[in-house]
Amino acid sequence: GNSVTQMEGPVTLSEEAFLTINCTYTATGYPSLFWYVQYPGEGLQLLLKATKADDKGSNKGFEATYRKETTSFHLEKGSVQVSDSAVYFCALSDLYGNKLVFGAGTILRVKS
Amino acid sequence: DTAVSQTPKYLVTQMGNDKSIKCEQNLGHDTMYWYKQDSKKFLKIMFSYNNKELIINETVPNRFSPKSPDKAHLNLHINSLELGDSAVYFCASSPSPWGREASNEQFFGPGTRLTVL
Repeated sequence: GNSVTQMEGPVTLSEEAFLTINCTYTATGYPSLFWYVQYPGEGLQLLLKATKADDKGSNKGFEATYRKETTSFHLEKGSVQVSDSAVYFCALSDLYGNKLVFGAGTILRVKS
Repeated sequence: DTAVSQTPKYLVTQMGNDKSIKCEQNLGHDTMYWYKQDSKKFLKIMFSYNNKELIINETVPNRFSPKSPDKAHLNLHINSLELGDSAVYFCASSPSPWGREASNEQFFGPGTRLTVL
């Protein structure tokens, strides 16, 4: 079945550091790929998405590129802020029923 | 205006009780979902409804029964609650259940934290 693997956390960075959170997937066909963010005590918000190979999703300084050849969708940000501290989930969308299959989540902590 | 709302936000109850969680979306979407997030933050889909019709049922115990009175509402009823049901339950909605649409983004509610004692 479809699955998503993302790097374990927590990831602890200083403010203005470069962020990479790795995500790889296994799927039949060509799913859409997403990064969702969950701030403490809140629900999930869509951070960015890509619907086909080589698409780059970007939002709030975060970027991720849909790489079909490596089945990856790594999240990057050039300079993190304390306010970026949250749990980040990589997910793919099953083409039938649109169910989201999530990775385990990566906790990001940014220190000032 | 809240796009996807859930009630209650917190629910504490005893083992063996029956409880319900309600979800409403005002986005005009056709499809709604229930997800469960366990204590390790792992998220897994439970159910999906499209226009009041069940389209996904992911090996969830039959103590869990979703009900969709109309396409703006998807409620979750849980019978005979067990300790392992303690989790955060998220409702979500999307315009379409078919993944190829550009509008397949899902919008999540704030979650309901269920604690079974």
